[in-house]
Amino acid sequence: AQKITQTQPGMFVQEKEAVTLDCTYDTSDPSYGLFWYKQPSSGEMIFLIYQGSYDQQNATEGRYSLNFQKARKSANLVISASQLGDSAMYFCAFGETSGSRLTFGEGTQLTVNP
Amino acid sequence: NAGVMQNPRHLVRRRGQEARLRCSPMKGHSHVYWYRQLPEEGLKFMVYLQKENIIDESGMPKERFSAEFPKEGPSILRIQQVVRGDSAAYFCASSPRRLPNEKLFFGSGTQLSVL
Repeated sequence: AQKITQTQPGMFVQEKEAVTLDCTYDTSDPSYGLFWYKQPSSGEMIFLIYQGSYDQQNATEGRYSLNFQKARKSANLVISASQLGDSAMYFCAFGETSGSRLTFGEGTQLTVNP
Repeated sequence: NAGVMQNPRHLVRRRGQEARLRCSPMKGHSHVYWYRQLPEEGLKFMVYLQKENIIDESGMPKERFSAEFPKEGPSILRIQQVVRGDSAAYFCASSPRRLPNEKLFFGSGTQLSVL
C-alpha cells in the first residue's frame, strides 16, 4: 500500500521568510500525483498545488512551489515570503493510479510569527 | 461556478440516532469522495462513488455506514445508530475525472457531534 509521511508535526517561520514543509512517499507505481492542501482553523480544505509523476518541471503556483525529487520520493512544499495568513495545517497527499483516493499525510502545523 | 456544497455544516445527534450528510459536487463533476477527519488527525478515505455506482468503499466501516450518489440529487453519507466514536468532521470532495491526475475540490465539511 502506498504510504505518505510528513515528519514535521509543527513548524515556525518568521513573516516574509521562506519555509519548506517535508513530504515523502512510498510507491512502486510509475504514474501518480502529489498534492498539497491547506487547512486553516476554519476547517475547509484548500487546494494549493499539484505535481504529476511524469511532469518534467517542478510545479509552481504563486508563492507555492513543489520541490519534486522523484528518485528520493520526496515532494516538499516551499512557501516563499510567508504571510500571517499562511498559518494553518498543511497536508501532503498521494494519488493512486487506481484512481480510488488520495492518501493524506498526518499534516504539518505551520505558524507564521510577526 | 459554485464549489462543492455540503450540508449541514454542523450536525448534532444523540447516540442511536441516524445521521445523513449531503454533498453536492461541483457542476460537471461525476466523481465523489468521502473522507473523515478525527480531531488532530489527517483525512482518512472512506468511499469513492461515481454516478449511481460505488467504486471503492474499502475505507468505510462495514456496519452502520452507507453511501450513495444517485442519478439525480446529492451524494448522501448515512450513518445509522451513531456512537460517540463517530464524532468527526466529514468531508466530501469531487473531481471531473479519475485520479491521480486531477485535483480534488473539497467542501467545507460537516462536523458531526454525537452526544
